[in-house]
Amino acid sequence: RKEVEQDPGPFNVPEGATVAFNCTYSNSASQSFFWYRQDCRKEPKLLMSVYSSGNEDGRFTAQLNRASQYISLLIRDSKLSDSATYLCVGLTGGGNKLTFGTGTQLKVEL
Amino acid sequence: GAVVSQHPSRVICKSGTSVKIECRSLDFQATTMFWYRQFPKQSLMLMATSNEGSKATYEQGVEKDKFLINHASLTLSTLTVTSAHPEDSSFYICSARREGINTEAFFGQGTRLTVV
Repeated sequence: RKEVEQDPGPFNVPEGATVAFNCTYSNSASQSFFWYRQDCRKEPKLLMSVYSSGNEDGRFTAQLNRASQYISLLIRDSKLSDSATYLCVGLTGGGNKLTFGTGTQLKVEL
Repeated sequence: GAVVSQHPSRVICKSGTSVKIECRSLDFQATTMFWYRQFPKQSLMLMATSNEGSKATYEQGVEKDKFLINHASLTLSTLTVTSAHPEDSSFYICSARREGINTEAFFGQGTRLTVV
């Protein structure tokens, strides 16, 4: 079983829709998590950090459920520019090792 | 602006030659940097952890003699792909984190290597 698992998608949604991604992790020692966004042929860029139960930033909400070992990302009122691959990342190894999920591809359409 | 800078962004080389990729942290000192490789439609795979002043730590299955890592200063790590072959063609990305608990990683712009 992979340490961090995501549904690869793609998720095709109309502009303005609300979309949610889930990510599960197997290492209960994981300290914190991040959602990164990666555009095609570009480097990942930090979208949100998730340390405790959750975090909200504008249209984006991330939640962490340690009991069930999953993290979610909710995008409201999706825009065309939200089209990208969203990477779920766990921090372990004493806070020094990042483990990436395979990413979930989102396509927002007119 | 960029916090971590990677160079070159794109390189094409002949099979059998070596390629050096540089990764610099621009406004913080990084005792540890990380090198990843990403094949098309796949996730980032950690290759090695670069440690300033000491040997790099390689992930299982990554040949340390083929992927030479040098971390000579607190702001620079280099990855050299030696005797490159077409199967080494990939997207190589470095990252670094500021000191502290739960700090996020910043990524370089990535290097797209094509071996012909």
